[in-house]
Amino acid sequence: AAGVIQSPRHLIKEKRETATLKCYPIPRHDTVYWYQQGPGQDPQFLISFYEKMQSDKGSIPDRFSAQQFSDYHSELNMSSLELGDSALYFCASSTVLYNEQFFGPGTRLTVL
Amino acid sequence: SQQGEEDPQALSIQEGENATMNCSYKTSINNLQWYRQNSGRGLVHLILIRSNEREKHSGRLRVTLDTSKKSSSLLITASRAADTASYFCATDPLNNNAGNMLTFGGGTRLMVKP
Repeated sequence: AAGVIQSPRHLIKEKRETATLKCYPIPRHDTVYWYQQGPGQDPQFLISFYEKMQSDKGSIPDRFSAQQFSDYHSELNMSSLELGDSALYFCASSTVLYNEQFFGPGTRLTVL
Repeated sequence: SQQGEEDPQALSIQEGENATMNCSYKTSINNLQWYRQNSGRGLVHLILIRSNEREKHSGRLRVTLDTSKKSSSLLITASRAADTASYFCATDPLNNNAGNMLTFGGGTRLMVKP
């Protein structure tokens, strides 16, 4: 069965650079979520989209923005990167009627 | 504030033994989901239990939910070395919003010794 696809899997950036993470949800899933997991931490919710509209917002810094496109894929844009942004970034998808979230493999971002 | 809290934080058992992990939460929920994560890897969805369900099984997994106590447990029977991972509970809050965030607990690190 198709799963959530995230790209890239690994990303290394310098401080103050920008990064764009991509997420392709499971087919027919209409809702996408972004989570951040720091080393040794539990995942923290950043933001979610349903039918291309932002539906919920968590602890997402103002330096980050995200959107969902007409094909339901989503991109997380991160600017002015800081050392503390180094983390695993997960995307998850679900259908709105049944909020069973399936996670992608994650993107490991390292900021040097 | 942290919604889900898990105990124990770490658990070490021998292969073949059963492992029980507990999760407590604070607010009303639609459902509670359990995930497994190998070190530095993705979150694998294990099981979802709805607020009107009390027990659910999937293979060697058994999940219970007590909404009156706002707690859930995950039991892994006949554990295997391959079950070594961190296990998280995550709650889906009770509201009518689309795209509900999940709130994760701190996770239980399970080590199964061969």
